Amino acid sequence: AQTVTQSQPEMSVQEAETVTLSCTYDTSESDYYLFWYKQPPSRQMILVIRQEAYKQQNATENRFSVNFQKAAKSFSLKISDSQLGDAAMYFCAFTTGNQFYFGTGTSLTVIP
Amino acid sequence: AAGVIQSPRHLIKEKRETATLKCYPIPRHDTVYWYQQGPGQDPQFLISFYEKMQSDKGSIPDRFSAQQFSDYHSELNMSSLELGDSALYFCASSFNTDQETQYFGPGTRLLVL
Repeated sequence: AQTVTQSQPEMSVQEAETVTLSCTYDTSESDYYLFWYKQPPSRQMILVIRQEAYKQQNATENRFSVNFQKAAKSFSLKISDSQLGDAAMYFCAFTTGNQFYFGTGTSLTVIP
Repeated sequence: AAGVIQSPRHLIKEKRETATLKCYPIPRHDTVYWYQQGPGQDPQFLISFYEKMQSDKGSIPDRFSAQQFSDYHSELNMSSLELGDSALYFCASSFNTDQETQYFGPGTRLLVL
């Protein structure tokens, strides 16, 4: 069975600072994909970043980057230069190519 | 860029009624997924379709059914609605050469009274 765990229900960060959101997962598969989705108050699910398990290089998208540790089954999201618009619920997600398995989410507050 | 379209955006029904949710995937996307997100919960996978055939099934109640049509849009049919069906229903779509990345629609908020 695939499971995704986000151990931080809530996090806060000062504007312009850096924050890291944690995610661990469990799977017996060797080929899979990991994602971070952002869900603002509008509840739209917005793709933030994606990582292929076969790639050793950590994915980066502008201010968002991941620290992918395959052996430890860890997939954390780092947000640099945090902005007020980054405030949202962040979900870590895992897939082997069909359904997504989501973590329970981390609510991020950005303090002005 | 075109995104996934869901209709209606909001729906209010009474217990035991039926509801139909529609999803129009991103153009050229051939795979559609349905998720249910209860209040304060993470999205739970219901069902998916690829090329009009059911490709995977999750925690979809027997009271629900879904299908994908020749134009790739999908409909989720919900019967004998219960209070617990109140949730946000997401549709997501993907393209078969990049099936791992799912693009989500804005969701349909269903309230069952």
